[in-house]
Amino acid sequence: SQQGEEDPQALSIQEGENATMNCSYKTSINNLQWYRQNSGRGLVHLILIRSNEREKHSGRLRVTLDTSKKSSSLLITASRAADTASYFCATGGFKTIFGAGTRLFVKA
Amino acid sequence: DVKVTQSSRYLVKRTGEKVFLECVQDMDHENMFWYRQDPGLGLRLIYFSYDVKMKEKGDIPEGYSVSREKKERFSLILESASTNQTSMYLCASSLTGLRGTYNEQFFGPGTRLTVL
Repeated sequence: SQQGEEDPQALSIQEGENATMNCSYKTSINNLQWYRQNSGRGLVHLILIRSNEREKHSGRLRVTLDTSKKSSSLLITASRAADTASYFCATGGFKTIFGAGTRLFVKA
Repeated sequence: DVKVTQSSRYLVKRTGEKVFLECVQDMDHENMFWYRQDPGLGLRLIYFSYDVKMKEKGDIPEGYSVSREKKERFSLILESASTNQTSMYLCASSLTGLRGTYNEQFFGPGTRLTVL
């Protein structure tokens, strides 16, 4: 069964706006990872946040982790058309489980 | 940069055929994974391997087998392909993290398999 659940399933925004995607999970984790997948391609790792971290930044990406609520969020600031993709969270531990993903569409 | 390659981007096979999907990584990763991806279902783990000749079943191993004779290569085998195995197949590799946990995975480009 899928542990990571992304919300929303789909998101459409204008270029320049911020995009926020959420992920919830069920069991304890060692880390949580976010990936991007362009249409018909493999997944690309974006960022990993460890269970003892609360926030992490990488360029225009900001990830937060709340282990008490078993949730994480991915914020993409100043979005671009090239950010159009599906985004997946994955719980990392003794087993990695991927969610079903959020489809982000950024309109130019 | 880690590179994970898959033998084919697109593959068309007939029902009942034996199908081999090959995956090679060049970064000496211990762990390798095979997933299938279907619309609305996300990635589902078929099999993984944490060492040469070692394999573990994932969530949906039925109808599949795997082989890992060398550290860099992980093969997925469909013994007798069926139409419900039409899917995107993704291979990935990773290093083992602290206390045996899994860290980020590096993915190949995927193989889109169609079984007629």
